[in-house]
Formats: sequence, structure tokens, C-alpha cells
Amino acid sequence: GAGVSQSPSNKVTEKGKDVELRCDPISGHTALYWYRQRLGQGLEFLIYFQGNSAPDKSGLPSDRFSAERTGESVSTLTIQRTQQEDSAVYLCASSYTTGGSPLHFGNGTRLTVT
Amino acid sequence: QKEVEQNSGPLSVPEGAIASLNCTYSDRGSQSFFWYRQYSGKSPELIMSIYSNGDKEDGRFTAQLNKASQYVSLLIRDSQPSDSATYLCAVSSNDYKLSFGAGTTVTVRA
Repeated sequence: GAGVSQSPSNKVTEKGKDVELRCDPISGHTALYWYRQRLGQGLEFLIYFQGNSAPDKSGLPSDRFSAERTGESVSTLTIQRTQQEDSAVYLCASSYTTGGSPLHFGNGTRLTVT
Repeated sequence: QKEVEQNSGPLSVPEGAIASLNCTYSDRGSQSFFWYRQYSGKSPELIMSIYSNGDKEDGRFTAQLNKASQYVSLLIRDSQPSDSATYLCAVSSNDYKLSFGAGTTVTVRA
């Protein structure tokens, strides 16, 4: 079956512009995560959606970052007024909510802010 | 204190040797434990999951879990150059949220 799909795969934007990144999880996966990974660094948790519960936004680095998810479908991560330090790979992952379910990652969106 | 900690590495081992990776976690109620492998420029991929105390073997990989010590490890036997990657430990807490360690980079020398 289809895996986690992210688009675009690459995005180059000018500083100050807004960008929207999209994640299409595996069908039936109720949990969805966004991570940021800067070059040579580890995974930085951004936000976690679990079913219809309120999302865990504790990892969002500033109010320029926001994310939405409608039900168990597509999620979008929006970065407003992009800065050069936002340059990174943004990874989306999904899983079943039941305990013991591993995450499945998308291929990521590589964001470059010039 | 970080929720999930891994030995910082990098870890360099000769081909054919055993690579040993360690991970400790802070939430005593954690139930599910995973090891992911991430090649440079790629997304993490699941290589092992373990839920009960003891050892779990899958090919050249063995995961070991000790909940009392809040410790999980990964052994890679007969290491190959293709095993060169960053290995991420992930732990699922009671609310099922997954937390990742910073990763350990392994280099297998031919």
C-alpha cells in the first residue's frame, strides 16, 4: 500500500515568504507527527496529532509555525515569514494510535530559505 | 533530563565486529521501544521493535530491553559497511507519543 506522502519534496523560498508543507498519512493511521531535522542534527519534534484530540504543539519553535489536520486525513504545516534558520528537512510520520505501533516516515520536504 | 538518551558516538567498528548501541529513557511507564536506522539524506526506517524484557533477534540485529533499569540496546553482529548510518532509539510513553533520542552514528570500516 501507499506510504506517507509529503509534498513538495523540495522548496526554495525567499526570506519573509510564507510556505505550506503537506503530509498525506497512511490510510487508517490516526497519529501524525511533524519533525524538523537540520543538517547533521537529530529529529526535532514539532507537533503531534492523535485522532480528534487536541494536538500537542509543545515543539513548535515560534508562533510563525502552525499546523492543521482535519480528522485522520491530510496535515499541513505552515511557516510564516520564513527565516534562514528555518532551512531544514521537515519530516512527517504517521502510525496507528494503539500502543506499540511504530511510526512510518515520509521522504520529507527539504526547505531552503534564501 | 532528556526523555531518551543515547550514547553520543560516533561509533567506529571494523567490518565483521559487533556494534553496540545504548539507550536510556526517563518515563518508567514506557511500554514500546523501537530502533530506527537513518542513512544520510534519507528518512528514518524501522529496523526493530521490542515490548518485553529480554532479547529479540532479527537477523544480525538483537534488541535488548531491561525495563527495571530503563535501558534498551541494539547489537549489530557481523557489521557490514552497509550498516553505516545513524541509529535512533524511540520510546512510546503511556499516551502513545513517541520520543526519539539524538541518535548514534555508526561507521563500519572495511
